[in-house]
Amino acid sequence: AQSVSQHNHHVILSEAASLELGCNYSYGGTVNLFWYVQYPGQHLQLLLKYFSGDPLVKGIKGFEAEFIKSKFSFNLRKPSVQWSDTAEYFCAFSPDTGRRALTFGSGTRLQVQP
Amino acid sequence: DGGITQSPKYLFRKEGQNVTLSCEQNLNHDAMYWYRQDPGQGLRLIYYSQIVNDFQKGDIAEGYSVSREKKESFPLTVTSAQKNPTAFYLCASSQGTGFSNQPQHFGDGTRLSIL
Repeated sequence: AQSVSQHNHHVILSEAASLELGCNYSYGGTVNLFWYVQYPGQHLQLLLKYFSGDPLVKGIKGFEAEFIKSKFSFNLRKPSVQWSDTAEYFCAFSPDTGRRALTFGSGTRLQVQP
Repeated sequence: DGGITQSPKYLFRKEGQNVTLSCEQNLNHDAMYWYRQDPGQGLRLIYYSQIVNDFQKGDIAEGYSVSREKKESFPLTVTSAQKNPTAFYLCASSQGTGFSNQPQHFGDGTRLSIL
């Protein structure tokens, strides 16, 4: 069965600290990978996506993620977090064939302290 | 502005009652989805539709039903057979029926509670 594991459920950082959120997926074929963010009181928004090509993808607000195929991973990074990055972050993937809907991880709640 | 509108924002259901959650999009997207979000479990797929008059079960379809009579609308009915309906329900849409790399756009959600 296809699944996504997000290793950190709750992360607390101080402003200017570096961030790395882990994401591993379970699927044997080609995938499309996404990170979504849900700020308090707002709807889910796309942060960044990977389809093909350069495995290092850049998204909005200084976030980036690296796809490592051999590790089935798509970790999210940001060199220096801000208080406004406080949100819940979801990793997701969709297979390139078959069911096209997203499979989500359980989410990581990030709390950035000023 | 284009987007997805879910209504109502809050909904209460009595035991044994069916309720319908509305989802409308004006993005001209072909595909639409319903997810259920529970604390600590992320989003789980209930149903999805890649084209009008067609829909498929997701991972947790039992106790739910949908229809897709119009491209812009994908209502979800939570039936009395769903024993644990209290959750946050999210509707999403994406462009194209054959493209899995299209990102999904989400509505603001409906929070359903049992009286």
